[in-house]
Amino acid sequence: QQQVKQSPQSLIVQKGGISIINCAYENTAFDYFPWYQQFPGKGPALLIAIRPDVSEKKEGRFTISFNKSAKQFSLHIMDSQPGDSATYFCAASNAGGTSYGKLTFGQGTILTVHP
Amino acid sequence: EAGVTQFPSHSVIEKGQTVTLRCDPISGHDNLYWYRRVMGKEIKFLLHFVKESKQDESGMPNNRFLAERTGGTYSTLKVQPAELEDSGVYFCASSPAPGRGHGYTFGSGTRLTVV
Repeated sequence: QQQVKQSPQSLIVQKGGISIINCAYENTAFDYFPWYQQFPGKGPALLIAIRPDVSEKKEGRFTISFNKSAKQFSLHIMDSQPGDSATYFCAASNAGGTSYGKLTFGQGTILTVHP
Repeated sequence: EAGVTQFPSHSVIEKGQTVTLRCDPISGHDNLYWYRRVMGKEIKFLLHFVKESKQDESGMPNNRFLAERTGGTYSTLKVQPAELEDSGVYFCASSPAPGRGHGYTFGSGTRLTVV
């Protein structure tokens, strides 16, 4: 059972465009939602994260939108650049019991930004 | 500050053989995590160490997998005997505290191919 579903699997955007990646979760105990960026040959790196008490968080060109009632969250990349081309993973975790610190990931989205 | 180091970066072994993956976390990080990504799928949690103790090993696939963290420093993940379905990228991550993904630093991973 996959607890975090991510879409699309791949995304092609022109330079300057907006990239949007969506995730949906099932476990209402999740209370922390990070996004990771991974370049080829490297490990995932934390990009931006949000907690469910806010509906939006923005850091530079990256914005997370969070809809608690729909159990969905999304990553928006404004003014997408070729250097943003990477694999993006959404994830979720909760503070309960022995699972504290454990991340549940989505399947990943391969983003390609054409110059 | 040195990052999380994993080796080997790649390993190709035959079915039935044994492979040992190693992870050196960031110095002083008590929390160490192992994750695995099978091609095209989500990154899945395997287990979590706090110092030398296994905090959560709920994601370990079966008893062919053995993880150790001697003295609370580096960790090894042994697969014995390896099966075809064990192929994937194995990631290690460390954090100073079980901060639900915040403060996680991932290594670059070990790509394991079982033929």
